[in-house]
Amino acid sequence: GNSVTQMEGPVTLSEEAFLTINCTYTATGYPSLFWYVQYPGEGLQLLLKATKADDKGSNKGFEATYRKETTSFHLEKGSVQVSDSAVYFCALSELGQGGKLIFGQGTELSVKP
Amino acid sequence: DSGVTQTPKHLITATGQRVTLRCSPRSGDLSVYWYQQSLDQGLQFLIQYYNGEERAKGNILERFSAQQFPDLHSELNLSSLELGDSALYFCASSVDLAGGLTGELFFGEGSRLTVL
Repeated sequence: GNSVTQMEGPVTLSEEAFLTINCTYTATGYPSLFWYVQYPGEGLQLLLKATKADDKGSNKGFEATYRKETTSFHLEKGSVQVSDSAVYFCALSELGQGGKLIFGQGTELSVKP
Repeated sequence: DSGVTQTPKHLITATGQRVTLRCSPRSGDLSVYWYQQSLDQGLQFLIQYYNGEERAKGNILERFSAQQFPDLHSELNLSSLELGDSALYFCASSVDLAGGLTGELFFGEGSRLTVL
């Protein structure tokens, strides 16, 4: 079945460091891919998305590129801030699956000043 | 604020008991999704309703059931509770059946269930 695998956390970085959170997926078709973010005490929020191969999603300085050849959707940010501290979830959705999202395990990011 | 409201925010109960979690979707959203978030299982899809009808089922136990009412709010019923049911239960909503394809799921803040 469809699945998403993320790098394990927690990830601890200093402010202004470069961030990469790896995400790979397994799907039978051509899924749409997403990154969601969960700030402490809140629900998940959509961060960015890509719906086809080679698409790049971007938002708030974060980027991820849909790589079909490596079945990956790694999240990157050039310079993290303390306010980026949160849990990040990679997810996929596939046509014909009713719109539900399959999530990875989540990666906790902690940014220190 | 996502516009999705979940109650209660916290719930503590004993093994063997039954609880009901409630979700009010964003105004105009027809699809409701329930997810369970636990430390060992991560975020697991339980069930989806669209305009009152069940549309997709995930890893939902037989002890759990859900429904969506004519006013579109949804309830998740958990019965014969076990220690392992302790988790954060999220509700999400989307405008249409294909909400996940566009990624436009809006999540509530969750209901934290503790079973003692």
